[in-house]
Amino acid sequence: SAVISQKPSRDICQRGTSLTIQCQVDSQVTMMFWYRQQPGQSLTLIATANQGSEATYESGFVIDKFPISRPNLTFSTLTVSNMSPEDSSIYLCSVLGLAVSYEQYFGPGTRLTVT
Amino acid sequence: QKEVEQDPGPLSVPEGAIVSLNCTYSNSAFQYFMWYRQYSRKGPELLMYTYSSGNKEDGRFTAQVDKSSKYISLFIRDSQPSDSATYLCAMRTGNQFYFGTGTSLTVIP
Repeated sequence: SAVISQKPSRDICQRGTSLTIQCQVDSQVTMMFWYRQQPGQSLTLIATANQGSEATYESGFVIDKFPISRPNLTFSTLTVSNMSPEDSSIYLCSVLGLAVSYEQYFGPGTRLTVT
Repeated sequence: QKEVEQDPGPLSVPEGAIVSLNCTYSNSAFQYFMWYRQYSRKGPELLMYTYSSGNKEDGRFTAQVDKSSKYISLFIRDSQPSDSATYLCAMRTGNQFYFGTGTSLTVIP
């Protein structure tokens, strides 16, 4: 299994500002994912971040709004830019299992509130 | 139509009851079927997975997949208050994962 930590665990931000969320994994992984989880909705994939290449964004998400960095095999950041109240959500990073790739391990999440 | 449909509940049962959680799906290409448990203010954790039709048992938990009906279930026997959480079904084809909205379960002592 993989142990994932995220910082910050929660934050309250003002409209128009940006927040960078950090994700640290205790082992080297190729693929990292960023999800958004809103009440009453399923996990929504924002982007896939592979080390050494540009992140791949899902429909409805753009790099200018959600820039992602992946400097090495154990770390990634997601920035939520120019925030609005609609960005209030839980943001989760995840990785695929090392031994069995159908397993996906999630971080504890970052609870973001935009006022 | 959503790829994965899951009744959000909430579901409230007395301790010791048998719980049945269900999801339906529309994509016959799904290969792996998983159940995640998510406690409040925590990330989802993998509970069970299956990759074929039939039943898989792990302690008090049984995962069931019926590919012909595109229907999966998770049964919890002798439910405990510690089982109180949100349960998400998930399905995978290739590197794409699709999640249900989650069912909130409360087990009352």
